Amino acid sequence: NAGVTQTPKFRILKIGQSMTLQCTQDMNHNYMYWYRQDPGMGLKLIYYSVGAGITDKGEVPNGYNVSRSTTEDFPLRLELAAPSQTSVYFCASSYKNTYEQYFGPGTRLTVT
Amino acid sequence: EDQVTQSPEALRLQEGESSSLNCSYTVSGLRGLFWYRQDPGKGPEFLFTLYSAGEEKEKERLKATLTKKESFLHITAPKPEDSATYLCAVFTGGGNKLTFGTGTQLKVEL
Repeated sequence: NAGVTQTPKFRILKIGQSMTLQCTQDMNHNYMYWYRQDPGMGLKLIYYSVGAGITDKGEVPNGYNVSRSTTEDFPLRLELAAPSQTSVYFCASSYKNTYEQYFGPGTRLTVT
Repeated sequence: EDQVTQSPEALRLQEGESSSLNCSYTVSGLRGLFWYRQDPGKGPEFLFTLYSAGEEKEKERLKATLTKKESFLHITAPKPEDSATYLCAVFTGGGNKLTFGTGTQLKVEL
């Protein structure tokens, strides 16, 4: 099993550009999550999904969108990138919400 | 609002020098406490889940314990490869989210 995979690993965006961060898991997990990690701060939940076709906002959803058309994939869309979105983004998945989450390797995004 | 505080922020140990990391939490209705290890430039790696006060879990040189207010990650005779940031997170069921602490950065020197 590859676990949770994310692409790209690094990306530099100009202000106002858009992009999609890809996330795929091969563990047949129902729950998937997107977090951002900023220096000195704990991981913050952006969006999550409890199954295909079902998504919901986390703590910091503004400026982002998600979709979940399959169990395996959970892409994160950034529209009109802003410097405040400079961060490291992690995708995670879990079998149930009370179970441990497995994280991908992250995408380091810089918006200039 | 759920709060998780980890201490110390950074810890430097000599190889073989045992110590403990602390994770204190203020939540309404703990349903699970998780410990993760994060190496630089990588995603968090799951270590332990604790569900109720008094529970303990062990893995190699690591042992996690849980009380009603805090959790400890005990590191016995650490080695340089144990150097990493250790993250604690709590799950209460609200919003299907984990609330993470800011981590303890551990460095083990020869």
